[in-house]
Amino acid sequence: EVQLVESGGGLVQPGDSLRLSCAASGFTFSYYWMSWVRQAPGKGLEWVANIKPDGSDRNYVDSVKGRFTISRDNAKNSLYLQMNSLRDEDTAVYYCAREEHWAFEIWGQGTMVSVSS
Amino acid sequence: QSVLTQPPSVSAAPGQKVTISCSGISSNIENNYVSWYQQLPGTAPKLLIYESNKRPSGIPDRFSGSKSGTSATLTITGLQTGDEADYYCVTWGVQKLFGGGTKLTVL
Repeated sequence: EVQLVESGGGLVQPGDSLRLSCAASGFTFSYYWMSWVRQAPGKGLEWVANIKPDGSDRNYVDSVKGRFTISRDNAKNSLYLQMNSLRDEDTAVYYCAREEHWAFEIWGQGTMVSVSS
Repeated sequence: QSVLTQPPSVSAAPGQKVTISCSGISSNIENNYVSWYQQLPGTAPKLLIYESNKRPSGIPDRFSGSKSGTSATLTITGLQTGDEADYYCVTWGVQKLFGGGTKLTVL
């Protein structure tokens, strides 16, 4: 079964760091672009970042550039999101998603990140 | 405020048809593929339409997508109560842009 499972969310204070992980199974992880998408409480979806299969190309939404870093370990079938200098507005459920056919084909169940003092 | 504009809500009766629009500009919708997602309450989004008008396996043909110029449309026919959800469009440039979402109520 194709599956994505996120972990690493939690409650942190503004300015803190957090690293999210996404474990992939049931498919050849190294073949696919992967993304992080987030959803603030009661709000819509927002794409955050994506990474090429070999990790050589990464893209970010402007609001996280310089603060967040997306990475992957194909040997461990894992995707990561290192989040530094967290702000209140980064509070959201973070989903990892597999890209295919110019779409987010497969989604994880999400992990909640709360930034509050 | 989202770059792509969707109506905040739509409603229709069971068995009826509903359309959800997604409006952008030439640099986003017109020149890129559009995909559509369904998000049932408390769950992760699910892909309904990709490459503007194609359905993944397992998605009923009650769901269809189209695109013309700077707008895209999701059409749902034979509405069921289980279709009550939030629906999002996305355009696929280097930056992936989401619409603000549309809440579908099946009366």
